[in-house]
Amino acid sequence: GQNIDQPTEMTATEGAIVQINCTYQTSGFNGLFWYQQHAGEAPTFLSYNVLDGLEEKGRFSSFLSRSKGYSYLLLKELQMKDSASYLCAVTNSNYQLIWGAGTKLIIKP
Amino acid sequence: GAVVSQHPSWVICKSGTSVKIECRSLDFQATTMFWYRQFPKQSLMLMATSNEGSKATYEQGVEKDKFLINHASLTLSTLTVTSAHPEDSSFYICSARDTGFEAQPQHFGDGTRLSIL
Repeated sequence: GQNIDQPTEMTATEGAIVQINCTYQTSGFNGLFWYQQHAGEAPTFLSYNVLDGLEEKGRFSSFLSRSKGYSYLLLKELQMKDSASYLCAVTNSNYQLIWGAGTKLIIKP
Repeated sequence: GAVVSQHPSWVICKSGTSVKIECRSLDFQATTMFWYRQFPKQSLMLMATSNEGSKATYEQGVEKDKFLINHASLTLSTLTVTSAHPEDSSFYICSARDTGFEAQPQHFGDGTRLSIL
């Protein structure tokens, strides 16, 4: 089967750095996405990785290793507004988007 | 960036009512749109894939006669919850992907919160 694993919940301190891991097993690979979802709102697109390596976008970075079926989202200089769920999703060979269950990130002052 | 508009944002109605939700891609054409449902504190669950000009593809366990999907143009898909009951109360979210860019991210509407009394 196809599945995506990410931690259910993480806690971090304002101003710190947090890394949210995602491992995947899918039938083929055509890209990995990270989305942010605040409670009661729709997901918003954060990042896209299709080649191995690190993609940096401001305070957020995303890393991909296709050989390991592994990605992480790195959030720096955490702010209270970063408290949200972070969803990892992979596009398989049929261009179906397979979703992880999401990681709830709690930021403490 | 790509914008997806979803309407209405909130619906409160009596049991037995049918409710229609619209999803529009505003600045791109979307051959394929997606309908999701999310219950409180649960994961995003794909209900169906809406294909312009053809029948939608429903996920296992989703009743196609209850959740009617119409994708009549490249910029509009609708989801109709027929004879809605309290257990259908949920957060419904649509997304769309630019035609010809299947590997690109899906862009989400703001969602519709449906409450059936």
